[in-house]
Amino acid sequence: KQEVTQIPAALSVPEGENLVLNCSFTDSAIYNLQWFRQDPGKGLTSLLLIQSSQREQTSGRLNASLDKSSGRSTLYIAASQPGDSATYLCAVHNTNAGKSTFGDGTTLTVKP
Amino acid sequence: NAGVTQTPKFQVLKTGQSMTLQCAQDMNHEYMSWYRQDPGMGLRLIHYSVGAGITDQGEVPNGYNVSRSTTEDFPLRLLSAAPSQTSVYFCASSYNSGGNEQFFGPGTRLTVL
Repeated sequence: KQEVTQIPAALSVPEGENLVLNCSFTDSAIYNLQWFRQDPGKGLTSLLLIQSSQREQTSGRLNASLDKSSGRSTLYIAASQPGDSATYLCAVHNTNAGKSTFGDGTTLTVKP
Repeated sequence: NAGVTQTPKFQVLKTGQSMTLQCAQDMNHEYMSWYRQDPGMGLRLIHYSVGAGITDQGEVPNGYNVSRSTTEDFPLRLLSAAPSQTSVYFCASSYNSGGNEQFFGPGTRLTVL
């Protein structure tokens, strides 16, 4: 059974810092890995999707990497802003039965 | 495109009542799914569908029914609500089950008294 772990569970940083969020998974038989952002009381917003054949994806200040063989992904946020404060979730889409498994998320607070 | 829409946004039920959570998407996606999100337990898959007329169980299907008569709609039915079903419910869709980007609705916050 696929298990997805996100460390740390919570992170607080001052504005302007660069930071890395971690996601690890136990089964490398995946189609892709997707990073989401969730604001309090809201739905999930897709940030980046990395296919299993890719190593990284970039969107603005966000860069996500994938190392399928070691079961790891990182989300790098450059020059963090208070507006980046949210919970960040990673999800792997498993080739076995085509279902997604989510991590519990990392809650990020960026202080002005 | 409206994307993935869900109604209602909030609902309070009494134990034993039934109701249907609505989900619709206008992106012509084949794959649709329902999740529940609970504190400390993350997002868990309830039911999913790979196309009209095809549904299957996820991780936590008990107490819920689904049907997929059209590509656009994927309603979730609570047959006899229980307090354990108090949760936030999210509907999601993607182009197909082959690992395409998933898009989520805004969620329905359900309280069962």
